[in-house]
Amino acid sequence: DAMVIQNPRYQVTQFGKPVTLSCSQTLNHNVMYWYQQKSSQAPKLLFHYYDKDFNNEADTPDNFQSRRPNTSFCFLDIRSPGLGDAAMYLCATSTRTTGVGYTFGSGTRLTVV
Amino acid sequence: AQTVTQSQPEMSVQEAETVTLSCTYDTSESDYYLFWYKQPPSRQMILVIRQEAYKQQNATENRFSVNFQKAAKSFSLKISDSQLGDAAMYFCAYRSAKGGSEKLVFGKGTKLTVNP
Repeated sequence: DAMVIQNPRYQVTQFGKPVTLSCSQTLNHNVMYWYQQKSSQAPKLLFHYYDKDFNNEADTPDNFQSRRPNTSFCFLDIRSPGLGDAAMYLCATSTRTTGVGYTFGSGTRLTVV
Repeated sequence: AQTVTQSQPEMSVQEAETVTLSCTYDTSESDYYLFWYKQPPSRQMILVIRQEAYKQQNATENRFSVNFQKAAKSFSLKISDSQLGDAAMYFCAYRSAKGGSEKLVFGKGTKLTVNP
């Protein structure tokens, strides 16, 4: 089945130690998104790629970066995780046809110790 | 900028009963799409139902239906014959129909509990 896969499902990292979360898709969607979702809150968009064009949200901290080496893969890099970065990170994909909803991955729950 | 408001942080319903979740939004655009997403505990967010703003007819998907009031900017979700598996966070979301608008704007969510 075509899908969006996030690895790992759970990630524990040390305070200040760089960490990378990965997302892959078999849907061949040209838009990929990274959302941060803290407990019982709405997902907050960090950035998205339209093909290779990177679009950063104005309030996304510099600590968060992303890479998209090809259509299928997208990575979220957190350069120096703080305790406040502990959250669920959701990857989603879409086509640019605006009537289409997103397809979400299962998320990666990040714990910072 | 568009905003989405869900005024009910939590709702509960008895199994087999009907429940309505509220959502209002603010936009100056005339053409857009609205969505309801379901996020079960520790599970993937999935699309429940979508509505095109230019369509007057309310969308329906099995037990799920919406009441779309464009003038009032209201988009409520009705779940009929509630089942235990309907327990989840429900998010209302908005997406502009403007070309190049990739962003989905979410409300804060409503936690639905289904009581047996």
